Formats: sequence, structure tokens, C-alpha cells
Amino acid sequence: NAGVTQTPKFRILKIGQSMTLQCTQDMNHNYMYWYRQDPGMGLKLIYYSVGAGITDKGEVPNGYNVSRSTTEDFPLRLELAAPSQTSVYFCASSPRGEWYNEQFFGPGTRLTVL
Amino acid sequence: AQSVTQLGSHVSVSEGALVLLRCNYSSSVPPYLFWYVQYPNQGLQLLLKYTSAATLVKGINGFEAEFKKSETSFHLTKPSAHMSDAAEYFCAVSDPGNAGNMLTFGGGTRLMVKP
Repeated sequence: NAGVTQTPKFRILKIGQSMTLQCTQDMNHNYMYWYRQDPGMGLKLIYYSVGAGITDKGEVPNGYNVSRSTTEDFPLRLELAAPSQTSVYFCASSPRGEWYNEQFFGPGTRLTVL
Repeated sequence: AQSVTQLGSHVSVSEGALVLLRCNYSSSVPPYLFWYVQYPNQGLQLLLKYTSAATLVKGINGFEAEFKKSETSFHLTKPSAHMSDAAEYFCAVSDPGNAGNMLTFGGGTRLMVKP
């Protein structure tokens, strides 16, 4: 099992550009999540999905969009990049079932918007 | 709304010394609690979790944490620090019944280990 994979690892964008951060998991997990990590702020939830075709907003969704057409993939879209979106982005997945099920994290994408 | 507070954004210990990382939570019901570790340039991995089975939870790499309901705390400890423990540690809480197993994270504590 590769677990949760994310591409790209690094990216530099210019203000106003758009891009898609890719996330794939091969553990057949129903739940998937996108977080951003800023220094000293912990992880903030951007969007999450409880299954294919179902997505919902987290704590900081503005400026982002997601889709979930398959169980495996959960891409995050930035339409008009802004410097405030400079951050490290983590994708995670979790099996459905018990509420104490852990989340499994990908290695992250470091995004800089200039 | 839940919140998680990690006291001390940076903690420095000598190799062989006790590690104590503090975590306090606020929740209206007894939550599930997690500690994750993040090594440089990597994703988060689970150290241990509290699921109400036992108040003292043992995790990987010699870490353990004790759930204290009266203090709303879930502090992480390790008797003897090793250089390889240098990393950032995150406490997280999950409310039973929340849709999607969502976690609320604390701000993190960076552990530095001096030789």
C-alpha cells in the first residue's frame, strides 16, 4: 500500500494563477480531508468528504474548491491564487466506522504564491 | 465548539531527560484524543490515541499519555528523550458523533533535544 500520496511536492505560483493539488489513497477509505498548515497555527481543515460525490466545507474553505468523483481521489483546486494561500497542504484519509479511527496523512505539498 | 491548547510552542530538553508536552482540550462531552508527530518535511503520523478504554495510553517510540477528565488534559510524556525525538507534536480531539471523524488540532509543540 502506498497509503496517501500527494502531488506535487512543491509549487510556486504567481498571484492569480490556478492549480490543482492532487491526492490519492489506496486504502479504500471513505473519508478524506484537506488541511493547510501555517507556522504556529496547527492544521486547519479546508474541506472534507465522507464519500464519493459528497463534500463539505471545513473551517477555512474560502478560495478553494474540491470534488470527489471516486473513492480514491480528492483533488483540491485553487482558482485565483493569493499570497495568503502560501502554506503547506496536507491530504488525509480515514476509514468509516468508529469515531476514534485515526486519520492517515500524505507527505504534503508546499505552495508559495508570489 | 471544541478547542485544543498546547502549552509551549517550543520545548527543549537534554538527551536522556524527561519529555513532557502539554495538551488541554475543551469539549462538552468526553472526546477521543490523539497525539501525532511530524518529522521535518514529512506528513503527520499517529503516536497514540485515547478511546476511553484506558486512561493511560501507550504509543510508539516509548511515548505515553494520560487522560485526566477532571483536568481536561492529555499530556504526552517519555521518560528519556532521544535525539531522534526532535520533531513537532500535535494534539488533536474528535467529538463522538461528529460526521466524518473530523479532528480539531492544537497549534503544535516543537521538541528540540540537546546532546
